Amino acid sequence: QKEVEQNSGPLSVPEGAIASLNCTYSDRGSQSFFWYRQYSGKSPELIMSIYSNGDKEDGRFTAQLNKASQYVSLLIRDSQPSDSATYLCALDRGSTLGRLYFGRGTQLTVWP
Amino acid sequence: ETGVTQTPRHLVMGMTNKKSLKCEQHLGHNAMYWYKQSAKKPLELMFVYNFKEQTENNSVPSRFSPECPNSSHLFLHLHTLQPEDSALYLCASSQDLAGESTDTQYFGPGTRLTVL
Repeated sequence: QKEVEQNSGPLSVPEGAIASLNCTYSDRGSQSFFWYRQYSGKSPELIMSIYSNGDKEDGRFTAQLNKASQYVSLLIRDSQPSDSATYLCALDRGSTLGRLYFGRGTQLTVWP
Repeated sequence: ETGVTQTPRHLVMGMTNKKSLKCEQHLGHNAMYWYKQSAKKPLELMFVYNFKEQTENNSVPSRFSPECPNSSHLFLHLHTLQPEDSALYLCASSQDLAGESTDTQYFGPGTRLTVL
């Protein structure tokens, strides 16, 4: 069983829409959760981190964490073509600090 | 982009060559990481260093040899690699490995390695 599952996509949304990216995980001991954005040919760039159940908002981005359901999501409001990238979900399992487990990523395309 | 730097950005080497990748972080962090990113696969952690000490070796073959002379610099020495080792090698850093949860990791631009 994979530690981190993401729908590989591609997810395609029109400009101005809400893009919803989902991630499920297998280890209930996971404590820290991260969303990274990776443009083609570039390195991952941190978008959001979330540690507690509930929502965390930063500009157009909202991360949602539900530890009971082992589910973390990223919502992008008012999507822009510049948001087109691969979004990586990452988490630690709480057993070894610093060891992040990454999903395969979801490719998002925002069309004008 | 300048917080974590990596050189070279691109490297082509033969299977008998010896080369080294360099990473430097200017963020005052104490933990550094090497990751491998292959096409269609998740990012794979290779090594973790905390305060210059190796704390994690994720079953990496010995043809990859890390070195961390201080908290700001990390090297990955490469020797007798295989074509399947071709990938993007990413360095990352974070504050440290203390506390109760994992700190945010910041990535460098990566080295695109091709093994012929």
